[in-house]
Amino acid sequence: DSGVTQTPKHLITATGQRVTLRCSPRSGDLSVYWYQQSLDQGLQFLIQYYNGEERAKGNILERFSAQQFPDLHSELNLSSLELGDSALYFCASSSHPGTGGAAKGYTFGSGTRLTVV
Amino acid sequence: GQNIDQPTEMTATEGAIVQINCTYQTSGFNGLFWYQQHAGEAPTFLSYNVLDGLEEKGRFSSFLSRSKGYSYLLLKELQMKDSASYLCAAVTAGGGNKLTFGTGTQLKVEL
Repeated sequence: DSGVTQTPKHLITATGQRVTLRCSPRSGDLSVYWYQQSLDQGLQFLIQYYNGEERAKGNILERFSAQQFPDLHSELNLSSLELGDSALYFCASSSHPGTGGAAKGYTFGSGTRLTVV
Repeated sequence: GQNIDQPTEMTATEGAIVQINCTYQTSGFNGLFWYQQHAGEAPTFLSYNVLDGLEEKGRFSSFLSRSKGYSYLLLKELQMKDSASYLCAAVTAGGGNKLTFGTGTQLKVEL
């Protein structure tokens, strides 16, 4: 157990629907990062939050949004789902806004496997 | 932009040594990570280099040359369980100092 909790582990939904993925960071970590990993693709950075505020944005579609709550858990909302959104969605956390002196970098959750049918 | 290149696949024999290379072109480079990822699982931390040189940790070593934009991961005494994808990730400064990942090198260890 890495200490980063993601729910649900698996999600199957239909095109056009909306889903919410949840992430609880490791205790003491203030930064949360969301990544998408499609089949045979690398980890694509979506968005980062630090202590409740958006810190960096990557290749996140307008149909996707995220937020980090006061208790530091984060949610990734995916709407108007398309078949191509099927992927593993990973959340990671770190204690620093960057990785600076945090030599262990990010700690990843076990991911949510989203299947859009 | 950010560009990280690593071989797609490699095959090696149990007990042997394998070197996985990674080249990167990033702005605001601030260090390089290697992660191991088994299929369908979360990436797990292997190593971190911020200064030039070799970092050794058991059977795994990682090397960085900032001037050449080059890193490698060296795996010794390969075991079957080392069959996995190895991800090179560059830390880029600015904003949240995010990690940008390469597409990974799928290593297959054979008998």
